[in-house]
Amino acid sequence: GESVGLHLPTLSVQEGDNSIINCAYSNSASDYFIWYKQESGKGPQFIIDIRSNMDKRQGQRVTVLLNKTVKHLSLQIAATQPGDSAVYFCADPHGRTNDYKLSFGAGTTVTVRA
Amino acid sequence: DAGVIQSPRHEVTEMGQEVTLRCKPISGHDYLFWYRQTMMRGLELLIYFNNNVPIDDSGMPEDRFSAKMPNASFSTLKIQPSEPRDSAVYFCASSLWRNTIYFGEGSWLTVV
Repeated sequence: GESVGLHLPTLSVQEGDNSIINCAYSNSASDYFIWYKQESGKGPQFIIDIRSNMDKRQGQRVTVLLNKTVKHLSLQIAATQPGDSAVYFCADPHGRTNDYKLSFGAGTTVTVRA
Repeated sequence: DAGVIQSPRHEVTEMGQEVTLRCKPISGHDYLFWYRQTMMRGLELLIYFNNNVPIDDSGMPEDRFSAKMPNASFSTLKIQPSEPRDSAVYFCASSLWRNTIYFGEGSWLTVV
């Protein structure tokens, strides 16, 4: 099975509201996570990453939170815009086997309502 | 800065034909990955290389698929013979050591 999994396959958000996308991982030894955004017809695009020595990391309008106790991470998008409509993936480069293989969850499709 | 470059971007081919997908990783990156994306199976890792050496090809679906990396700036993924079920988007990605993995824009393959 997958080493990372997203909680909801779809998320509909009103423009201007905040979005929260959740992800769970299974490998307690995982120490690095990456969030990707994939727009229609394009490849996954790096958004933000976090290492296990941090609980929180902020970027431009995005924040990632990591809870190692329950093996959960989330991506928060502030003031969601139409351009944020995409599929979002959390990824664990080490996956289930501690090898360097980027394992993806199924993705959450975010739709922004005008 | 040039990202990961893939070609062709789109290909339509007939069943039984050979398909070759090409990838130029980001200069200086030492890891190269080939992924396949379909609606049914999502993003699957097919194979990855480190310093041009294949490390893990357990994701390659069958012997019809092969990948090579003759040098640090070029890799190919070949399907011979192609079948309709190979229709998918194939992504190449690269990274510097075990850091962020950057993806190309993909090669959209349709086998009819």
